[in-house]
Amino acid sequence: AQRVTQPEKLLSVFKGAPVELKCNYSYSGSPELFWYVQYSRQRLQLLLRHISRESIKGFTADLNKGETSFHLKKPFAQEEDSAMYYCALSSGTYKYIFGTGTRLKVLA
Amino acid sequence: DSGVTQTPKHLITATGQRVTLRCSPRSGDLSVYWYQQSLDQGLQFLIQYYNGEERAKGNILERFSAQQFPDLHSELNLSSLELGDSALYFCASSVSSVTGELFFGEGSRLTVL
Repeated sequence: AQRVTQPEKLLSVFKGAPVELKCNYSYSGSPELFWYVQYSRQRLQLLLRHISRESIKGFTADLNKGETSFHLKKPFAQEEDSAMYYCALSSGTYKYIFGTGTRLKVLA
Repeated sequence: DSGVTQTPKHLITATGQRVTLRCSPRSGDLSVYWYQQSLDQGLQFLIQYYNGEERAKGNILERFSAQQFPDLHSELNLSSLELGDSALYFCASSVSSVTGELFFGEGSRLTVL
């Protein structure tokens, strides 16, 4: 069965510190992985997807098929990065599932 | 606004009642997804439609049903409501039926008393 696990509900870091939001997935095929972000009072929106290999707002994520992980990283956190982050998986069976989310708080 | 629109934004009702949540996808998007977000549960996938046809089903209760109409808007019907159905219900749309970026609405907050 498909599953996305985000082990941390809350992650607090100081401004300028590195950030790593963990995401592990369970799927036997070749999934497409995404990170979505929800800033305060805004809609949930796509941050990045693994196939594009882009860096968005300084965030990167590498798909590690051996460890079935897709962790989100940023070398230097900014206060405006404070938000709710969701890891998501899309499979060929059309199901698009999300993890439980991690709230990132960047402290001044 | 050509984004995903959901109505109503807020809804308060009693146990045992029935409600309908409505979603209009972005212009040009054929696929609609419904999600339920309860406290500490993240986004639970309920169901997906593509161009009027059901394409995938998640953990949707039998008391819940959905459909997508010819004009591509979708409705989620929740019946025999229970206290535990109180949640934020999100609709999202995408161009593709298979994968790609989802565009979310602001959600409909349902409170069952």
